[in-house]
Amino acid sequence: SYELTQPPSVSVSPGQTARITCSGDALPQQYAYWYQQKPGQAPVLVIYKDTERPSGIPERFSGSSSGTTVTLTISAVQAEDEADYFCQSADSSDTYVFGTGTKVTVL
Amino acid sequence: QVQLQQGGAGLLKPSETLSLTCVVYGGSFSDFYWNWIRQPPGKELEWIAEINHSGRSNYKTSLKSRVTISKDTSKRQFSLRLTSVTAADTAVYYCARGHDGGFDMWGQGTMVTVSS
Repeated sequence: SYELTQPPSVSVSPGQTARITCSGDALPQQYAYWYQQKPGQAPVLVIYKDTERPSGIPERFSGSSSGTTVTLTISAVQAEDEADYFCQSADSSDTYVFGTGTKVTVL
Repeated sequence: QVQLQQGGAGLLKPSETLSLTCVVYGGSFSDFYWNWIRQPPGKELEWIAEINHSGRSNYKTSLKSRVTISKDTSKRQFSLRLTSVTAADTAVYYCARGHDGGFDMWGQGTMVTVSS
């Protein structure tokens, strides 16, 4: 089955930049989406269609795509950005798959 | 202000049937796909199924034999039914609105535990 692979963890100091990657063979053909999930809460969409940011999401969140890898970048990281982040895309049979998840720790 | 409010039983025995409902408050019910997604404790999210206003549905292949998604447009709600549950079905179940290929609104989540 189709898989999206993320690093298990990323650590970053406040004010620095965090980059989270997501790799999948179908990403050149399918859009990617990113979600932030804090403990005990439902996920929140932070990036859609590779690079678009929903209203209400801070500008420090941005997305990019290159070949089979998409990247979520959090600039000037704040303590409140500490959370799990999941990428999501679609596979060839029009079903949806989520990435393995990355825990972002703000040091 | 769109809100998704979930309801349903949280404790099941093996072989029983899981039933969850999600009521949509505010916004359009007809313009979107409506989804169920689950997350086992400490694990990644897993998409289960979607349905649109006309009843067109789509299922995760590995769960298709046990899952039914349905809707009641007049009540602005959609439901999940998962038969023959096992411990592997223990998870937080979320309902979510599908939009542009992603999921932009989520319910609060329902913890479902399968245990004898």
